[in-house]
Amino acid sequence: GENVEQHPSTLSVQEGDSAVIKCTYSDSASNYFPWYKQELGKGPQLIIDIRSNVGEKKDQRIAVTLNKTAKHFSLHITETQPEDSAVYFCAASTPSYGKLTFGQGTILTVHP
Amino acid sequence: EAGVVQSPRYKIIEKKQPVAFWCNPISGHNTLYWYRQNLGQGPELLIRYENEEAVDDSQLPKDRFSAERLKGVDSTLKIQPAELGDSAVYLCASSPGPLNTEAFFGQGTRLTVV
Repeated sequence: GENVEQHPSTLSVQEGDSAVIKCTYSDSASNYFPWYKQELGKGPQLIIDIRSNVGEKKDQRIAVTLNKTAKHFSLHITETQPEDSAVYFCAASTPSYGKLTFGQGTILTVHP
Repeated sequence: EAGVVQSPRYKIIEKKQPVAFWCNPISGHNTLYWYRQNLGQGPELLIRYENEEAVDDSQLPKDRFSAERLKGVDSTLKIQPAELGDSAVYLCASSPGPLNTEAFFGQGTRLTVV
């Protein structure tokens, strides 16, 4: 089955800096890669996603890049704000499984 | 539009007792998922429904866990009997279609087994 590795496990930045979280996946058939933000006591919230026919996608301060050859994808957050502090999860999905396999999560802390 | 609704939000039970969780997906979403999230980890799939049919329950511990989705809308997940290791957050999610579409999560039910 699919295996997703996520790094780093914790990330601390100053407000205004950029943050980058990286994930690798094992199944070359995976073709859908969402990113979720989870705040304390809440369920994961979808913030951006990318499909395998696209190399990059941007939505305001967040962007995701995908390298299918290397089987890795990354989340980029620019101009970080304290409210960006949360746990971020990457995930991957394959057509044959129809389920999301999640990474272990990254605790992002943005210091004012 | 209402999101995925789960209840209860919190549940504390003694080991060997039964417990049930309820989920109401987003209206019109045919696909429903139950995930379990252990502390400090990502969610892991327990079961996936397409309408009322369980199409992937390979990760569901069937000796003590059961689930149903009558009429292809609401769903319940049951544990009987609960064990200490079942303490986790149980998340329900739904999506419009079966494959590679956005999955939206509920708030989750935090289960503590003592």
